[in-house]
Amino acid sequence: EAQVTQNPRYLITVTGKKLTVTCSQNMNHEYMSWYRQDPGLGLRQIYYSMNVEVTDKGDVPEGYKVSRKEKRNFPLILESPSPNQTSLYFCATKGGVSGYTFGSGTRLTVV
Amino acid sequence: GDSVTQMEGPVTLSEEAFLTINCTYTATGYPSLFWYVQYPGEGLQLLLKATKADDKGSNKGFEATYRKETTSFHLEKGSVQVSDSAVYFCALSLFGGSQGNLIFGKGTKLSVKP
Repeated sequence: EAQVTQNPRYLITVTGKKLTVTCSQNMNHEYMSWYRQDPGLGLRQIYYSMNVEVTDKGDVPEGYKVSRKEKRNFPLILESPSPNQTSLYFCATKGGVSGYTFGSGTRLTVV
Repeated sequence: GDSVTQMEGPVTLSEEAFLTINCTYTATGYPSLFWYVQYPGEGLQLLLKATKADDKGSNKGFEATYRKETTSFHLEKGSVQVSDSAVYFCALSLFGGSQGNLIFGKGTKLSVKP
């Protein structure tokens, strides 16, 4: 089954403690992306990647890092999380006839 | 810049009522248009899409027509059910320079009462 897997689903952390949200896809898609969803703001793109070792900023990249060392994985890194990064995060891929496929989301709370 | 504007919610309807959620867009070029649905506690699912002017996307009784002259992609359903309660997002995608990034509206929450 084609899928995008994010981990963890829920995370509560403290300000300043580095964390990584993983994203893995089994569709061999070149394009991957991270979004955050906030009430009243919809989904906003954080970073995207067109292929291995190719990443670019989206609309709200501040405070985030990504890496794309292999095609299937696209982790989102928060080096020093702050409360304003409390949000619902989605990873997505795009390719072929399947179009966009979203992960189930990671709900992050930074206290 | 490119953007999507959709009607603000929440929208509350009775079962079997007619639904319209308005969506308009601003884009350079010729975008593809999408409606995504997010059920409580879940991720986003593609509901329907249209890739060129006058195309009609349809799925699960929902419809939307790509209107280039009014830059709109309004979502409609003739008779909603309680199970349609969800958040609906209109989105566009431009191919080429932005490499197909999705641009979302802010979402419209729909609640359907029995």
